[in-house]
Amino acid sequence: SQLAEENPWALSVHEGESVTVNCSYKTSITALQWYRQKSGEGPAQLILIRSNEREKRNGRLRATLDTSSQSSSLSITATRCEDTAVYFCARNNNNRIFFGDGTQLVVKP
Amino acid sequence: ETAVFQTPNYHVTQVGNEVSFNCKQTLGHDTMYWYKQDSKKLLKIMFSYNNKQLIVNETVPRRFSPQSSDKAHLNLRIKSVEPEDSAVYLCASSYTSAETLYFGSGTRLTVL
Repeated sequence: SQLAEENPWALSVHEGESVTVNCSYKTSITALQWYRQKSGEGPAQLILIRSNEREKRNGRLRATLDTSSQSSSLSITATRCEDTAVYFCARNNNNRIFFGDGTQLVVKP
Repeated sequence: ETAVFQTPNYHVTQVGNEVSFNCKQTLGHDTMYWYKQDSKKLLKIMFSYNNKQLIVNETVPRRFSPQSSDKAHLNLRIKSVEPEDSAVYLCASSYTSAETLYFGSGTRLTVL
């Protein structure tokens, strides 16, 4: 991957359950972003969390950032079928945004 | 609400042909990008333009060339396609470099 990696590679949950996707990165950052890509669409940003922030929320989504361990997590509560997508973390580096490999999340009815 | 428009949605072609993809953004952003997404969903940046100037050119084969007429348009030309060029090509824009990206829905290229 280009400087960021998510884990696990794939997840499957039932509607209403909570789920967490983790991300690790290897160099310093100014910000870390989480994107979601649904089938047939381009990625869409969910949350941008800056290096001086520890947590950020967006509705049912919560992102955390730990710069000391160079890791981030994205949690989704009360999952819905429409949350089925690939989730990417992305980091900035010299005018580029590098994406991790992605985690495929499937939410079953 | 779509604000980054890509055409065509799909393109099937033979090895050695030339193809061209178009991208337009209506967000008033200064920076535009091309990303390549392979069959495993891996996203790799190819090019970045800021106000019609190339600012990032990752290691891509010379047969790929970006073209920008103004800051709202960024096209991608592939001079002589090869099978490994089969992928989804995603265009994106941002207000400033390396900030929130807004993506189009992509152009899926299949090279036979």
